[in-house]
Amino acid sequence: AQKITQTQPGMFVQEKEAVTLDCTYDTSDPSYGLFWYKQPSSGEMIFLIYQGSYDQQNATEGRYSLNFQKARKSANLVISASQLGDSAMYFCAMREENQGGKLIFGQGTELSVKP
Amino acid sequence: GAVVSQHPSWVICKSGTSVKIECRSLDFQATTMFWYRQFPKQSLMLMATSNEGSKATYEQGVEKDKFLINHASLTLSTLTVTSAHPEDSSFYICSARRGGAKETQYFGPGTRLLVL
Repeated sequence: AQKITQTQPGMFVQEKEAVTLDCTYDTSDPSYGLFWYKQPSSGEMIFLIYQGSYDQQNATEGRYSLNFQKARKSANLVISASQLGDSAMYFCAMREENQGGKLIFGQGTELSVKP
Repeated sequence: GAVVSQHPSWVICKSGTSVKIECRSLDFQATTMFWYRQFPKQSLMLMATSNEGSKATYEQGVEKDKFLINHASLTLSTLTVTSAHPEDSSFYICSARRGGAKETQYFGPGTRLLVL
């Protein structure tokens, strides 16, 4: 079974609008972390935001926020006020503490921001 | 912020040769580093976990003798692709885990390997 699922292969958003990228996960480990990374065409993986399973509040980092719904096992990324430079691949990832700290990635969502 | 470097960024080699890729954490100590491989338009697939001072832990299906990993110090891990073949051509990317108050994992810029 997929540990991390991103159901949106591609998304389009108008510049300056907000967009939500979906991510669901599956784990029985009570201690885990959820990450979002951006990968532009250059290939580098840019860390965006982190949410720990015990964090009470949703994580926010500038224009990025993570909509963490623990009971639903979802960790959607919300990008506010989209910019043309936001066009890239976005990966959701999970780290389970009982798995040695390795990250398991979702399939990715390709976001295109329209001017 | 934390930086992870990777060298080389590009390598083209002949089939049968070995290629070494270095991953360094520049401003923090990383007891654990990870190596991933990514094919075009696909996600990152974990190859192995590199632990300082001990043997690497390989994921199922990854050939240990082909992909040699050495974590020589708290800031350096190397991946050697031995006897490379065209099917080994891929994007190899490392990451280092940084603990503390702001838990995260930082990635190197990646190495594109082309085996002719």
